[in-house]
This record gives sequence, C-alpha cells and structure tokens, in this order.
Amino acid sequence: DAMVIQNPRYQVTQFGKPVTLSCSQTLNHNVMYWYQQKSSQAPKLLFHYYDKDFNNEADTPDNFQSRRPNTSFCFLDIRSPGLGDAAMYLCATSRGAGDRYTFGSGTRLTVV
Amino acid sequence: AQKVTQAQTEISVVEKEDVTLDCVYETRDTTYYLFWYKQPPSGELVFLIRRNSFDEQNEISGRYSWNFQKSTSSFNFTITASQVVDSAVYFCALSEAGNAGNMLTFGGGTRLMVKP
Repeated sequence: DAMVIQNPRYQVTQFGKPVTLSCSQTLNHNVMYWYQQKSSQAPKLLFHYYDKDFNNEADTPDNFQSRRPNTSFCFLDIRSPGLGDAAMYLCATSRGAGDRYTFGSGTRLTVV
Repeated sequence: AQKVTQAQTEISVVEKEDVTLDCVYETRDTTYYLFWYKQPPSGELVFLIRRNSFDEQNEISGRYSWNFQKSTSSFNFTITASQVVDSAVYFCALSEAGNAGNMLTFGGGTRLMVKP
C-alpha cells in the first residue's frame, strides 16, 4: 500500500544534542510537510517542500532545518533541542493545491 | 487571512447518541477546500472528507454526514449513533486554491469522548 512512513515512532534525545527525524513516501506526491503538534493543540506547520523548493514558515525557529534529497524522503533536523521542542512531529504529503493530505503516524520526541 | 474555528473543545456523549461537531471558517478566496481529519489516540491523522467551495451538496458516508453552508461559512460534521471507536480529536481544516503549496489552516480541534 502506498503510504507515508515516519521513523522512529518514539525518539528520546538529550537537551542540546542534535536529532534527525525521517519521513518517506511511496505516493510520489510533490509536496511534503513537517508539522509540530504539542499536547491538546492543532498541528503547526514548520515547513514544506514543493518538489525541491523549500518553504519555511516565518515563525519556525532557526533551530529547525529540513532536507529533501529526493522525491521520496524528507528529514527534519533539530540542531539543539530544548525542552520546549518535545512534541509529536507529523510528516504529510499531498499533490498540491486542494489535494488531501496523507499523514505518517508521527514521531513523538522527548527531550531529557 | 484564513481562519478556522472549532468552538467546541471537548464533547462527551453516550454510545448511540448523535453528535455534531461545528466548524466555522474565514477566507477571502472564492475558491477553497475544506477538510475533516480524525486523530485517534494513536496519533496519526486520518482523512475523512474534502469539499471544494463550489460543491455545497451535503454528503453522507455510513454514520458520518457533513453539512456545508457557504451562507454561514460552516462545515459541520455529524456522527449518527456514535460508537466508542469514534472517540478521537477531530480537526476541521481549510486550504485556499491560490495556495500552490496547499498549506492547511487547522481549527483547534474537538475532542470527542464516546462512553459505553
């Protein structure tokens, strides 16, 4: 089945230690998104790639970076995680304007 | 700027009751898309429905139905004969047609608890 896969499902990292979350898709969708979701809140867009074009939300902290080496993969790098970065990170894909999103199962990040 | 409001933060019902989740949106675009997603305790958001702004026809899918009214900028979701498995957080979302990247604006979500 075509899908969006996020690894790992749970990630524990130390305060200040760089961490990378990964997302892959078999849908061949043009657009890939990274959302941050904190407890009892709506998902918040961090950035998205339309093909190779990177788009950063204005309020995404500089601590967060992303890479999309090819159509299938997208990575979220957190350079120096703080306690406030503990959250669920959701990857999603779509074909573009008006299309439904397909979400991965998320990575729950804990910062200790 | 676009905005989605889900005024009900939490709803609790007893199994077999009907329940309606409200969604009100704001946009300046004449062409836009509305969505509902379900987020069960496992965390993955599951797509339920997509509606474009030119299609006001209500839709029914099993126990789920959606009422889209442009006159009141609302896109409400009704679950008939609710079941415990319907317990989840439900998000209403909007994207505008001029938005090639298809970024969604989410409402704050409604947590639905269905008790046996």
